[in-house]
Amino acid sequence: DQQVKQNSPSLSVQEGRISILNCDYTNSMFDYFLWYKKYPAEGPTFLISISSIKDKNEDGRFTVFLNKSAKHLSLHIVPSQPGDSAVYFCAASGDTGGFKTIFGAGTRLFVKA
Amino acid sequence: NAGVMQNPRHLVRRRGQEARLRCSPMKGHSHVYWYRQLPEEGLKFMVYLQKENIIDESGMPKERFSAEFPKEGPSILRIQQVVRGDSAAYFCASSPGEGLYEQYFGPGTRLTVT
Repeated sequence: DQQVKQNSPSLSVQEGRISILNCDYTNSMFDYFLWYKKYPAEGPTFLISISSIKDKNEDGRFTVFLNKSAKHLSLHIVPSQPGDSAVYFCAASGDTGGFKTIFGAGTRLFVKA
Repeated sequence: NAGVMQNPRHLVRRRGQEARLRCSPMKGHSHVYWYRQLPEEGLKFMVYLQKENIIDESGMPKERFSAEFPKEGPSILRIQQVVRGDSAAYFCASSPGEGLYEQYFGPGTRLTVT
């Protein structure tokens, strides 16, 4: 039962261009969404989050957009840098009978110099 | 300001042995989460604990797996009678509260069952 889906296992982008990572969810009780970044052999690190009362949150080069009606969120990175190459996980949480956070399978981003 | 600490970083066990994974949350955090990541897969929630209490263990297999977070000391994830399918990276995360908080992850323990 995949409640959080990241349908693109990988994405390749040229340095300086925009990276767009997508995420879909199925549980309408989710009301808090997060993006994490993970390098090999390290734990995930928190990147940016958005509450369901907003449709956009921006932090430097990173912007997360939330479309509640479509149950879809996206992470935009602009401009993309080679150091952004990593696996990006979308995650969702809320009062779903517990407060566990559900993670997507991840999208591996390659930023080419 | 130490982050979440996990040890050991790598653990090799033969089938049938016990694996014990430790997690020390960030200072001031009283909420701990354990996740498992199989190769080429995402993070799967296992268990959520507060000090001395298991809040949600819905992601943890009913057999052989247990977790605790005692009043003093680290959180422990214990896997008894390990099998090859238990080989994975196990990540611990902590947060200052429940609900709408980001989680801070440790570097993980990579368990290999031979």
